[in-house]
Amino acid sequence: NAGVIQTPRHKVTGKGQEATLWCEPISGHSAVFWYRQTIVQGLEFLTYFRNQAPIDDSGMPKERFSAQMPNQSHSTLKIQSTQPQDSAVYLCASSPNTGQLYFGEGSKLTVL
Amino acid sequence: GQQVKQSSPSLTVQEGGISILNCDYENDMFDYFAWYKKYPDNSPTLLISVRSNVDKREDGRLTVFLNKSGKHFSLHITASQPEDTAVYLCAAASSSFSKLVFGQGTSLSVVP
Repeated sequence: NAGVIQTPRHKVTGKGQEATLWCEPISGHSAVFWYRQTIVQGLEFLTYFRNQAPIDDSGMPKERFSAQMPNQSHSTLKIQSTQPQDSAVYLCASSPNTGQLYFGEGSKLTVL
Repeated sequence: GQQVKQSSPSLTVQEGGISILNCDYENDMFDYFAWYKKYPDNSPTLLISVRSNVDKREDGRLTVFLNKSGKHFSLHITASQPEDTAVYLCAAASSSFSKLVFGQGTSLSVVP
């Protein structure tokens, strides 16, 4: 069991560029969650999918952030026109129907 | 607003003592409560969780106490060890199938 896999582990972009982050959940887990971690805000919920369907995106900044789950083996988080305040560690987690979240190691995004 | 709050950003406990970590929440609909542990440069991992139908759950040195009327839950760690030094995140959800909302975290240091 490889756990939740996130790529890239580190990404540096220039202001205004696009960033795409990838997540491969644990096989058999029905839910995939995206969180953003910063020192100031802590662990903020962004969005989640269950059985590939979007369920709750209430934490997503509406204009530049989007997430998709085209198949059961991966999800993407895309940030368009990145801004310095988007710099954070983006964590993906998957879950079977138990409530327990299994987090990946995160993708650290730095926007210069 | 912050739905889940950890009012103490840090706590220092003597080795062998009891560590008490506290968490307050606002949403009456929360039904699932959890504590996660996070080491530096690692992702959070689940320590212990409870549903609202119990007010206490023990697992080894860990005990979760839930006070629903007071919208408060706590984690007690007995016989604290240096390896317990970490950031502890409380979290709550309206069910084990919905999004988990995290507190800001309490950094626990267990000193000799």
